[in-house]
Amino acid sequence: SQQGEEDPQALSIQEGENATMNCSYKTSINNLQWYRQNSGRGLVHLILIRSNEREKHSGRLRVTLDTSKKSSSLLITASRAADTASYFCATPPSGTYKYIFGTGTRLKVLA
Amino acid sequence: GAVVSQHPSRVICKSGTSVKIECRSLDFQATTMFWYRQFPKQSLMLMATSNEGSKATYEQGVEKDKFLINHASLTLSTLTVTSAHPEDSSFYICSASGTGSNQPQHFGDGTRLSIL
Repeated sequence: SQQGEEDPQALSIQEGENATMNCSYKTSINNLQWYRQNSGRGLVHLILIRSNEREKHSGRLRVTLDTSKKSSSLLITASRAADTASYFCATPPSGTYKYIFGTGTRLKVLA
Repeated sequence: GAVVSQHPSRVICKSGTSVKIECRSLDFQATTMFWYRQFPKQSLMLMATSNEGSKATYEQGVEKDKFLINHASLTLSTLTVTSAHPEDSSFYICSASGTGSNQPQHFGDGTRLSIL
């Protein structure tokens, strides 16, 4: 079964607004990663947060991690039309190298 | 940054054909590569873990005789879909990561396989 579940499944916002998507996972992890996928393309790594970190920033991205709740959130601030894509969280369960991907959030940013 | 090259990007072929997809790490060595399958508007499903110099580890439900994986060098893994049928049509994506823990995965651009 999939490690991660994400919500919402789909999100439509206006350009300039913030977008927040959430990810929950089931087992203990060493880190959690967020990826972006444009339609018909491979995935692009956005940010990695370690299990001992609670928050991390990268440009307009802010990721939080709550290991007690086994959840993470990705915030994209001041969204742009170019941010339109699917966003996935991925976790390697502790002790493995395998990455299990969440169900993904399809973000549409309207110009 | 680390680059993974995957080709072909698109394959259209007749039922019964075998199709080989290549995944190369261009500027780093990858002892482990991963093969995923993705259906439209769905997440990536891990098919197998490809280990350089040894047999691949397949996920439950994935037929190893159907999806042959070879990882002959530290920069190349191949996935061969043998005797492909329409139900094998899908988007296949490979990834690789560097050595050590807490390393991100780097993805190829995927292969769209369409079996007629």
